[in-house]
Amino acid sequence: DGGITQSPKYLFRKEGQNVTLSCEQNLNHDAMYWYRQDPGQGLRLIYYSQIVNDFQKGDIAEGYSVSREKKESFPLTVTSAQKNPTAFYLCASSQLAGGNYEQYFGPGTRLTVT
Amino acid sequence: AQTVTQSQPEMSVQEAETVTLSCTYDTSENNYYLFWYKQPPSRQMILVIRQEAYKQQNATENRFSVNFQKAAKSFSLKISDSQLGDTAMYFCAFMKYNAGNMLTFGGGTRLMVKP
Repeated sequence: DGGITQSPKYLFRKEGQNVTLSCEQNLNHDAMYWYRQDPGQGLRLIYYSQIVNDFQKGDIAEGYSVSREKKESFPLTVTSAQKNPTAFYLCASSQLAGGNYEQYFGPGTRLTVT
Repeated sequence: AQTVTQSQPEMSVQEAETVTLSCTYDTSENNYYLFWYKQPPSRQMILVIRQEAYKQQNATENRFSVNFQKAAKSFSLKISDSQLGDTAMYFCAFMKYNAGNMLTFGGGTRLMVKP
């Protein structure tokens, strides 16, 4: 059963702690993406990766870091430098070749920092 | 840079009626794709419909259809025979052609279907 998994669904952390959000895909997609969604707003791109061991900053990368050591995994670390980390985080993946350009989304992780 | 604007933060429609959600975008690109995504209360993003800019014919998926006006940079979504399950946030999104498949989203429209 192919798809994208994100864990955990809900995550709580104390202010000043780093936290890592997991994203795994078994679709054999080349590209992976991280988005942030605030209440009542659209999605904003944090980071993206088109190939293993390479990634690029999106529109709101400050306070976040990523790694892409394996094709199927793209974890996001929310660092203590992120001023307002409480949000809903969505991971997505996409195939870059072959004509299917659609992005497939995971179920998301709701992060609450207090 | 591309921008996507959804001017209707909230809309409501009676069950079985038709509703149209608006979306405008700004780009200097000639080749691109446009999407409508649905986000129900579960918050799972679901692709509703997509349109290739080079196609003049408007895309249709069952009860969902678009009105794509390339010159006006407008991409509205029409939902016919609205159902209670259509209640959700709807996002319009832009993708530049051959540029890593990245999406630029609008701010969303919250649609409530009333019985």
